[in-house]
Amino acid sequence: DVKVTQSSRYLVKRTGEKVFLECVQDMDHENMFWYRQDPGLGLRLIYFSYDVKMKEKGDIPEGYSVSREKKERFSLILESASTNQTSMYLCASSSHYQPQHFGDGTRLSIL
Amino acid sequence: QKEVEQDPGPLSVPEGAIVSLNCTYSNSAFQYFMWYRQYSRKGPELLMYTYSSGNKEDGRFTAQVDKSSKYISLFIRDSQPSDSATYLCAMSGRGAGANSKLTFGKGITLSVRP
Repeated sequence: DVKVTQSSRYLVKRTGEKVFLECVQDMDHENMFWYRQDPGLGLRLIYFSYDVKMKEKGDIPEGYSVSREKKERFSLILESASTNQTSMYLCASSSHYQPQHFGDGTRLSIL
Repeated sequence: QKEVEQDPGPLSVPEGAIVSLNCTYSNSAFQYFMWYRQYSRKGPELLMYTYSSGNKEDGRFTAQVDKSSKYISLFIRDSQPSDSATYLCAMSGRGAGANSKLTFGKGITLSVRP
C-alpha cells in the first residue's frame, strides 16, 4: 500500500512565523503535490513537483514555496504565516501508473 | 461554468439504501476518472479509478462514466453507517499519475442513518 506521511496532524503557529510542513512517501513516486482544503472551496492545488528539484505552481501559490531535495520528500513552506493560511493542508503523491494518494493532512492554525 | 460540478449535498439516507453520487464536467479532454472517500479529519482515500466510458464494480461500489454526456456516477449498494463520509470526484486528461493535475469536485457529505 502507498504510504504518504505528513509530519504533523495539528500545528499552531503565530502570524509572521516561517512554517515548514513535511511530507514523505514510500512508493518511489515521481510526482508530489500540496493542496489546501477549506470548507466550501474544496481542494486547491498550491504547488506540485514531478521530479527532484523541480517544482510547478498550482492554482494558489502566493505566500508559499516548496522544496524537493529528495525524491521521497516534499516540503511546503509558509514564508511569513498569515491568518488566512489557517487551513487543512494535504500532501499527495503519484506515479506514471498510479493516481494520487493522499496523506492524512495537517490542520494548521495561524494565530 | 466550473470544470467539474458536484452536488453540494449534504445527503442523508437510511441504512441499506442505494446511494447515487454524481459529477458533471465540461472538459472533453478528461479521460481518467476517480472517486475519493474522505472521513472526518482524514485525507482523501482513493476508492475507484476508471478510464474512459463504462462501468467498474468493486464490492458494493460501482463507478460509471458516460463521456458523451460528460457525467460520472458512483453507486453504493446496501449502504452502511461506515459509508458516512465526504465523497470527491476527480478527473484528469492524461495518465492519472504522470505530471497530471487532477480537477476535483467540491465533494458531497453522505450520512447513512442506522
